[in-house]
Amino acid sequence: AQSVTQLDSHVSVSEGTPVLLRCNYSSSYSPSLFWYVQHPNKGLQLLLKYTSAATLVKGINGFEAEFKKSETSFHLTKPSAHMSDAAEYFCVVSETSGTYKYIFGTGTRLKVLA
Amino acid sequence: DTGVSQDPRHKITKRGQNVTFRCDPISEHNRLYWYRQTLGQGPEFLTYFQNEAQLEKSRLLSDRFSAERPKGSFSTLEIQRTEQGDSAMYLCASSRGGPGNEQFFGPGTRLTVL
Repeated sequence: AQSVTQLDSHVSVSEGTPVLLRCNYSSSYSPSLFWYVQHPNKGLQLLLKYTSAATLVKGINGFEAEFKKSETSFHLTKPSAHMSDAAEYFCVVSETSGTYKYIFGTGTRLKVLA
Repeated sequence: DTGVSQDPRHKITKRGQNVTFRCDPISEHNRLYWYRQTLGQGPEFLTYFQNEAQLEKSRLLSDRFSAERPKGSFSTLEIQRTEQGDSAMYLCASSRGGPGNEQFFGPGTRLTVL
């Protein structure tokens, strides 16, 4: 069975400092991995996705993630946090066949301090 | 805007009442998903449609829940005899077929059962 583990439920950073949100996955096959962001009272928005192409994936709003098979990790990073980045972030693994349904992590709430 | 829409956005009901939610996916997407998200958790898969066929249901979907997607367009999710434990955000998503294709989420319907 596939799963993802988000290692931190809360992360606080100061504005202008780097962001690191950690995600480990478990999958028997080459996974499709995603990061989504959820702002309060808004829908889930895709930040980026990995689908077995380049291991370093660039997304929207300056976010990127690196797929590391040896470490079964897919950590999300951003060089410089903005106040608008404060939100809930979800790491997601998709089934590799059939329904392609999503399995979500429990989320990481990012707080950005002025 | 041609994104995924959900109606209503909020629903407050009394225990024991029936409720129905509607989801309008992106028009060219043949895959439609329902997820449920409770406070502090990531969304959990409920059910999946490919066109009009309901192909998978989670064990979370008790017999009080039913979903339809007539003609492979919009979908409805009905909960009969609501219980307080049904209080959650119900999310709808749609996608094209194939691995690695991202799901596009609607804003969700927040259900509160009193």
